[in-house]
Amino acid sequence: DQQVKQNSPSLSVQEGRISILNCDYTNSMFDYFLWYKKYPAEGPTFLISISSIKDKNEDGRFTVFLNKSAKHLSLHIVPSQPGDSAVYFCAASGKTGNQFYFGTGTSLTVIP
Amino acid sequence: EPEVTQTPSHQVTQMGQEVILRCVPISNHLYFYWYRQILGQKVEFLVSFYNNEISEKSEIFDDQFSVERPDGSNFTLKIRSTKLEDSAMYFCASRAVYGTEAFFGQGTRLTVV
Repeated sequence: DQQVKQNSPSLSVQEGRISILNCDYTNSMFDYFLWYKKYPAEGPTFLISISSIKDKNEDGRFTVFLNKSAKHLSLHIVPSQPGDSAVYFCAASGKTGNQFYFGTGTSLTVIP
Repeated sequence: EPEVTQTPSHQVTQMGQEVILRCVPISNHLYFYWYRQILGQKVEFLVSFYNNEISEKSEIFDDQFSVERPDGSNFTLKIRSTKLEDSAMYFCASRAVYGTEAFFGQGTRLTVV
């Protein structure tokens, strides 16, 4: 039962352009949505999050958009840099925070 | 910057042996988690822990698994009798009481042979 889905396993973008990573979820009770970045053989690194009561959160080059009616969120990276190349995981949690539900990840390659 | 640390970074064990994976969460964090990722697969939730009790656990976390906070700084995951399919990267994470994000360690690669 995959409550958080990332339907694009991979994405390639030219350096300097925008990267858009997408995520869908099924549980309307999720309270927080998060994006993590992961390099091979390392742990996930927290990037940015958004509360379910907001529709946008921005932190430097990273912006997360939430569309609750569509149960969809996206991460925009502008401008994309080669160092952004990694696997990006979308995650969600409920009010208790007892579990973070992860998507399957999208591998982003930023081409110099 | 505070971080979650995990030891060992790589553990090789024979099938049927017990292993203990260790984690030092960020100090003043009170929520702790174990996740795992089998090579090429998704990040899977195992268990969450708060106030010396399991808060939630997944179907993966059966009787072969246990967690413990033996002292004020360590958080351990024990697998009593390892199976080949337990081979994976195991990640520990912690969260502050009023925080919304979990911070992950670098992981322990467990290889069962």
